[in-house]
Amino acid sequence: GENVEQHPSTLSVQEGDSAVIKCTYSDSASNYFPWYKQELGKGPQLIIDIRSNVGEKKDQRIAVTLNKTAKHFSLHITETQPEDSAVYFCAAPKTGANNLFFGTGTRLTVIP
Amino acid sequence: GAVVSQHPSRVICKSGTSVKIECRSLDFQATTMFWYRQFPKKSLMLMATSNEGSKATYEQGVEKDKFLINHASLTLSTLTVTSAHPEDSSFYICSAVGQGRIYSNQPQHFGDGTRLSIL
Repeated sequence: GENVEQHPSTLSVQEGDSAVIKCTYSDSASNYFPWYKQELGKGPQLIIDIRSNVGEKKDQRIAVTLNKTAKHFSLHITETQPEDSAVYFCAAPKTGANNLFFGTGTRLTVIP
Repeated sequence: GAVVSQHPSRVICKSGTSVKIECRSLDFQATTMFWYRQFPKKSLMLMATSNEGSKATYEQGVEKDKFLINHASLTLSTLTVTSAHPEDSSFYICSAVGQGRIYSNQPQHFGDGTRLSIL
């Protein structure tokens, strides 16, 4: 089955700097990789996802890169703002099923 | 689009009570819904997968008689925590996937969770 590892567990950056969160996965057949943002007391919100037929995807200040050979994918947030502070989770599909394995989460703090 | 509504947002009740949590997809039909449990500062732990019109598939270690799941329509799934005890206190979150499999471009969309506190 799939195993997803995420790091760092906590990340503090100054406002305006970039933040990078990395995840690795074990199942080479995985082909869909979403990223979720979870604010305190809320459910996770999908912020960006990437499929295995592309290596990079951008949406304004957020980008995700995928390296299928190395089996890792990363979330990049540029020009960070205090409202980016939250817990971020990566995920990958469970082989043979339609559910997801989630990483352990990264608590991002953007310092004004 | 892709809004998932979960109710109630918070429940406080006495030990022994059964609690029902609803998960609704508001603007799409969800053939599959998932129920997760999340402990403080931890990741999401999948409890069960619910497919419309069929029995839920429970993850290993999750008691199906304790956590009853019903997915009677394409827009509604319910989780009932039966005879709840303090150790059942947690944050329960549902998600829904539209028609089609997850890796055919149908991402999971989450509700805002239910914080259950059993006294």
